[in-house]
Amino acid sequence: AQSVTQPDIHITVSEGASLELRCNYSYGATPYLFWYVQSPGQGLQLLLKYFSGDTLVQGIKGFEAEFKRSQSSFNLRKPSVHWSDAAEYFCAVGEPNAGNNRKLIWGLGTSLAVNP
Amino acid sequence: GAVVSQHPSWVICKSGTSVKIECRSLDFQATTMFWYRQFPKQSLMLMATSNEGSKATYEQGVEKDKFLINHASLTLSTLTVTSAHPEDSSFYICSARQGVSYEQYFGPGTRLTVT
Repeated sequence: AQSVTQPDIHITVSEGASLELRCNYSYGATPYLFWYVQSPGQGLQLLLKYFSGDTLVQGIKGFEAEFKRSQSSFNLRKPSVHWSDAAEYFCAVGEPNAGNNRKLIWGLGTSLAVNP
Repeated sequence: GAVVSQHPSWVICKSGTSVKIECRSLDFQATTMFWYRQFPKQSLMLMATSNEGSKATYEQGVEKDKFLINHASLTLSTLTVTSAHPEDSSFYICSARQGVSYEQYFGPGTRLTVT
């Protein structure tokens, strides 16, 4: 069965440090890939997405992600974390060729804490 | 653009009563809306997918008769939790998409507490 794995349940980084959140998927073909952020009291917000083309994707709030087909990964990165980045981060994938059944499969999320 | 609202943002109801949650796409037409349930510190669990004018498609294990979904227009979907019980207490989130895109736009969620 298709699945999305976020190996890190919780990560703590210091403000100003770099960040990498991991995401792995299991699909035969390249899926559509998404990173969403959920801040306390707010709805999920799309950070970035990958459908095809350049494997390094730039998103909002200074985030980027790199798609690596050989590793079935789509890791999220940020060079310098701000205290406001503390939130829950979800990786999601959409199965290609799903026709009208285009729903997203979600990872369990990574909770990011930022130390001052 | 692509704003989704939910109402109410939180609701407390007594066991045995029903509660309705509304999800609206404010500035676009949502051909499909999704309803999720999220437990504390956990991921999103897709409950059902609803297409405008059609019956909702429920995920395995979700009780259709308990969680009634109506998608009567391109901007409004409702989730009714019937005969609610304390175990139905949760955070319910809706999302909407345009056309056949994979990208979903999320509402802020509704916190349901059943006493």
